[in-house]
Amino acid sequence: DADVTQTPRNRITKTGKRIMLECSQTKGHDRMYWYRQDPGLGLRLIYYSFDVKDINKGEISDGYSVSRQAQAKFSLSLESAIPNQTALYFCATSDRTGSTGYTFGSGTRLTVV
Amino acid sequence: EDQVTQSPEALRLQEGESSSLNCSYTVSGLRGLFWYRQDPGKGPEFLFTLYSAGEEKEKERLKATLTKKESFLHITAPKPEDSATYLCAVQARGSTLGRLYFGRGTQLTVWP
Repeated sequence: DADVTQTPRNRITKTGKRIMLECSQTKGHDRMYWYRQDPGLGLRLIYYSFDVKDINKGEISDGYSVSRQAQAKFSLSLESAIPNQTALYFCATSDRTGSTGYTFGSGTRLTVV
Repeated sequence: EDQVTQSPEALRLQEGESSSLNCSYTVSGLRGLFWYRQDPGKGPEFLFTLYSAGEEKEKERLKATLTKKESFLHITAPKPEDSATYLCAVQARGSTLGRLYFGRGTQLTVWP
């Protein structure tokens, strides 16, 4: 099994719909992250969580919300999806120092039509 | 503001043609520099962490080096399976511990 599992892998949704992307990890790490990746823009941080009770906004949090249900689970919601949220979304986890880098999931390809 | 810049944006090499990718950074004290490989439609895969100037790490045909202002990812005698996007990221001292700042990547294509 993968260390970081994201569901769904692909999703097409309509403008205005609410959608949730889920992430779970088996690394036992406290820290989890949500990134989006767009061609030519690289990885941009949406939200990050250092433990179950700690959630922080990243660079591009507008239009998104998150929930840390447990140490191993971190979900990302789009309250009212819009077409410019079409992107590849990645969840990642790291230990407390981050010195060994992040472990990423395989991503969710989201298309908003 | 901390910045990470990778060059070139894209690189095409013939199999066996060695080259280097560049990652320049401006951070207020470097805690660590990371290299990742990303295949299309997949998540980035960790390759190396470098912590101090002069440090080098190797893995198969890849060697990463670090100076005070930049890092190089040297690819020796590449093969088509080395084709991927290579991402550089930095972790800065004094910033939120554990947080990484990513460059936009270099897309490498190795043709037979």
